[in-house]
Amino acid sequence: KQEVTQIPAALSVPEGENLVLNCSFTDSAIYNLQWFRQDPGKGLTSLLLIQSSQREQTSGRLNASLDKSSGRSTLYIAASQPGDSATYLCAVKRNNAGNMLTFGGGTRLMVKP
Amino acid sequence: GAVVSQHPSWVICKSGTSVKIECRSLDFQATTMFWYRQFPKQSLMLMATSNEGSKATYEQGVEKDKFLINHASLTLSTLTVTSAHPEDSSFYICSAPRQGGAFGYTFGSGTRLTVV
Repeated sequence: KQEVTQIPAALSVPEGENLVLNCSFTDSAIYNLQWFRQDPGKGLTSLLLIQSSQREQTSGRLNASLDKSSGRSTLYIAASQPGDSATYLCAVKRNNAGNMLTFGGGTRLMVKP
Repeated sequence: GAVVSQHPSWVICKSGTSVKIECRSLDFQATTMFWYRQFPKQSLMLMATSNEGSKATYEQGVEKDKFLINHASLTLSTLTVTSAHPEDSSFYICSAPRQGGAFGYTFGSGTRLTVV
């Protein structure tokens, strides 16, 4: 059974800091991994999608890396801003016939001005 | 592209009544739709998977007679909470995979259900 863990569960940083959010998964047989952002009371917004054959993806100040063999992904946020405050979730899609996602518990990020 | 529209955004209902939540894929066909439930400060818990043209698949512990799922077309899936009780109050989110998940997943904006 795939298990996804995110560390830390919560993080508070001053504005401008570069930060790293971690995601680990127990079964390396994944098809892809997706990072999402969730604002309070809202749905999920997709940030980055990394296919199993890829090592990283970048979008603006965000960079996500994937090390499938070690079961890890990191989301790097450069020059954090108060608007980055949200919960960040990683989710993996298994490498089998099903298309279900397995989610981590999320990291609640607060960027203080 | 790849938008999933979820309605209503929030709903308050009395105990014993039923509430229907709709999710529509606006610019792609969603043969599969996932329904999640989320409690405060917790991650998403998969409730069921709806498939167009066939019965939904429910996760262990989810009452299928209480949470009725219908996947009426390639663009519409509905979740009906029947005979709602206060413990059903939660945040419900739908999600559709694009190309079976190969191109990621798109989520609805969620529905906040409060049962009084």
